[in-house]
Parts: sequence; C-alpha cells; structure tokens
Amino acid sequence: DAGVTQTPRHEVAEKGQTIILKCEPVSGHNDLFWYRQTKIQGLELLSYFRSKSLMEDGGAFKDRFKAEMLNSSFSTLKIQPTEPKDSAVYLCASSRVLNERLFFGHGTKLSVL
Amino acid sequence: GQQVQQSPASLVLQEGENAELQCNFSSTATRLQWFYQHPGGRLVSLFYNPSGTKHTGRLTSTTVTNERRSSLHISSSQTTDSGTYFCEGQQGTGSKLSFGKGAKLTVSP
Repeated sequence: DAGVTQTPRHEVAEKGQTIILKCEPVSGHNDLFWYRQTKIQGLELLSYFRSKSLMEDGGAFKDRFKAEMLNSSFSTLKIQPTEPKDSAVYLCASSRVLNERLFFGHGTKLSVL
Repeated sequence: GQQVQQSPASLVLQEGENAELQCNFSSTATRLQWFYQHPGGRLVSLFYNPSGTKHTGRLTSTTVTNERRSSLHISSSQTTDSGTYFCEGQQGTGSKLSFGKGAKLTVSP
C-alpha cells in the first residue's frame, strides 16, 4: 500500500508528561482514524476525522487525549498528562472515503513509566 | 454501535492444514474488511469485502451480508501465516468502525 506514516515509532514518557504523536495519512485520503491497541482491550477508537472535521472522539478518551488535524496531510494525537495505563501501541489509519479500504501505519509504541 | 464477534480466538494448525476464521456482526455491515497483523507489525488489509466472495492466493473471504457474517479461509497453511487476523465492520455510513478481538493463528512446521 501507499503507506500511512507515523512518528515516532517508539516513545518513552514519564508519568505526567505531555507527548505528541504524529501521523501523515495516504495522500488524497479524506478519512483518518486514531486507534489504541492493547492485548486486553484490542483496538479502541480514539478519534475519527472526515475531511479534517472531527466526527467521533472516542468518548472515554476525551479528558486527556486530544487529536487534531490541522491540514489534510497531517494529524497529531496529544496525551496530557500521560499515565502508565496509557502504555499501548497507537495506530493511525486512513481511507479515501469511509466505504473503501483502510490503510494503517506501523504505529507508535508508547511506554509510560 | 456495531458489535463484532470473532471465532475462534486462537487456532493451532500443522503446516498444510486449512483454517477457517469467522466474524459475526450485530448489524448488517455496510463495509467490512479483514486484516492480518504479524506480531509487532502493522495491520495489513487482506480483503475489503462487504458482500460476496473474494480470492487472493490461498486466501478466500466470503461475506453473507444479510446473515451478518463473514469468513476467511486459508488453504494449505504455512508457518508464515502465523499471526493475528482481525475483521472490521461498520454499520451505516456515519458510525465508527468496529473491530473484532482478533483470531490468533499459529502454524507449526
């Protein structure tokens, strides 16, 4: 696939820090998703953007998690303040429109000490 | 929202055996996709298949939309097929995507 780019690949944070994860969707894609993946919970939706507009914000993740899409080719996920339970792999995905194939990035593995 | 049930949760096979993975949805899925994830790797799309049957290599996906189920068949499994398989579905056009918990496949030589 053309590739969704996520940076960094790994992030280590102290409890209470602010971290920002970055995602570049596939060029021309209008829909962008942020997911969190853990062994226990599986894949949990954090945010969903359609044409840069926030469509879903993942409910339970609202208080310390904020995703933004400043332009069609770049999105950030801010976690503030981080807690050890936030340790997980954070995945970004994009699709051209909602009923077409979804492409994932490699993810950012976050460890909060 | 859409609930997705995957079965089995895990499967162990000998190389050469066939595998059948199932997904059941609480509502008719207007979009449906199967993914593969190698341990530590990214999710790779295998099929986008909201209805009908699709083949690629040793993989076949069959979705019966009005029965709210989809299957992924792997024929003549190989050790490189080991990993976790996820199905994802969406109800309607505005709902969030829902993933199954995944099916962990282990293929032994």
